[in-house]
Amino acid sequence: DAKTTQPNSMESNEEEPVHLPCNHSTISGTDYIHWYRQLPSQGPEYVIHGLTSNVNNRMASLAIAEDRKSSTLILHRATLRDAAVYYCILRERNTPLVFGKGTRLSVIA
Amino acid sequence: NAGVTQTPKFQVLKTGQSMTLQCAQDMNHEYMSWYRQDPGMGLRLIHYSVGAGITDQGEVPNGYNVSRSTTEDFPLRLLSAAPSQTSVYFCASRPPLDRGHGYTFGSGTRLTVV
Repeated sequence: DAKTTQPNSMESNEEEPVHLPCNHSTISGTDYIHWYRQLPSQGPEYVIHGLTSNVNNRMASLAIAEDRKSSTLILHRATLRDAAVYYCILRERNTPLVFGKGTRLSVIA
Repeated sequence: NAGVTQTPKFQVLKTGQSMTLQCAQDMNHEYMSWYRQDPGMGLRLIHYSVGAGITDQGEVPNGYNVSRSTTEDFPLRLLSAAPSQTSVYFCASRPPLDRGHGYTFGSGTRLTVV
């Protein structure tokens, strides 16, 4: 499986944008970039996914570098409820989801 | 829709006992997976299934069995519980094609083996 590299932790002020980086220099052409988050004491939650183009949904935006070797999850206005561990995962279509260590995001009021 | 339902929510076992963790989904999802999460760690894949009658091993399958006789249910069996299996177990499911959403996870079963 292709690997991803994320910072262990990040901190953000409430109501400010947050950019969570992910490096995946060995990504293959068929790998989708997925983001999940896990709130304290809960199961993971799907956030967004993309292949080549930037993606937006109600939760976040995903910016994918032109060479696809990195991506950034963007939370437009962080709230206290966004404090969680964020996982960047590469997955080929129809293969299982394999988690790494993720980035622990703290949001300061 | 109830989503992914896991039972029980909490369980304490003695070393050597066996038990089955239940997972059911009512979304007609073909893909289902089991994960374990040790304290302060990420999730590790135990077993997964791409449809009824088909299962495969994940990263840490030893000590666990699964079966998939129906689309809805994907039970995880611990054959002979060991303290190293103390963990939170999550079940997840997703539809057969990527349609703008991914896996749905259950709320977990917290298992302690003493």
